[in-house]
Amino acid sequence: AQKVTQAQTEISVVEKEDVTLDCVYETRDTTYYLFWYKQPPSGELVFLIRRNSFDEQNEISGRYSWNFQKSTSSFNFTITASQVVDSAVYFCALSDRNTDKLIFGTGTRLQVFP
Amino acid sequence: DVKVTQSSRYLVKRTGEKVFLECVQDMDHENMFWYRQDPGLGLRLIYFSYDVKMKEKGDIPEGYSVSREKKERFSLILESASTNQTSMYLCASGTGETDTQYFGPGTRLTVL
Repeated sequence: AQKVTQAQTEISVVEKEDVTLDCVYETRDTTYYLFWYKQPPSGELVFLIRRNSFDEQNEISGRYSWNFQKSTSSFNFTITASQVVDSAVYFCALSDRNTDKLIFGTGTRLQVFP
Repeated sequence: DVKVTQSSRYLVKRTGEKVFLECVQDMDHENMFWYRQDPGLGLRLIYFSYDVKMKEKGDIPEGYSVSREKKERFSLILESASTNQTSMYLCASGTGETDTQYFGPGTRLTVL
């Protein structure tokens, strides 16, 4: 069965610290997508990144970076020099290619204090 | 930019009322989804649709129905609202090519 595990329920950091959010997934599919979404206090889920299972290159976008490792079935998300505006719940998700559905992790709440 | 809109940000209804939650997307996406989100339970899929007039049950369809008469619009219906349907409801749309889903702002429904 497909599954996404975000073991960190809540993380608190002080502004300017680096923080890594962990995501481990399980799937038997050979082709799949992995995603990260951000949910700020306003409630809307904001799409951050999609990664194809065939592309293991790490990606950097400003202060955000993603480390995809197929060997460990992990897709971790690092925020460098965190800011208060990064405070949100972050969800990792895995695609079910047969149904177009997403399997979400339970989310990690990140609190960045000034 | 993809735009998904939901008819209300906040809604308060009485037990037994019929409730309509509307969702509209402007990207010509085939797929649309309704989720509810509750503390400690994460995101749970209620219903989804691959095309006009089509609907598929998600993980928790009981007490809900849906309607998709036009490609851009996907409605969630609570036939007889109950207090245990108090929740945050999130709509999303997407394509089957990449499975990326784009979410609306959500509707916080309170049933009294």
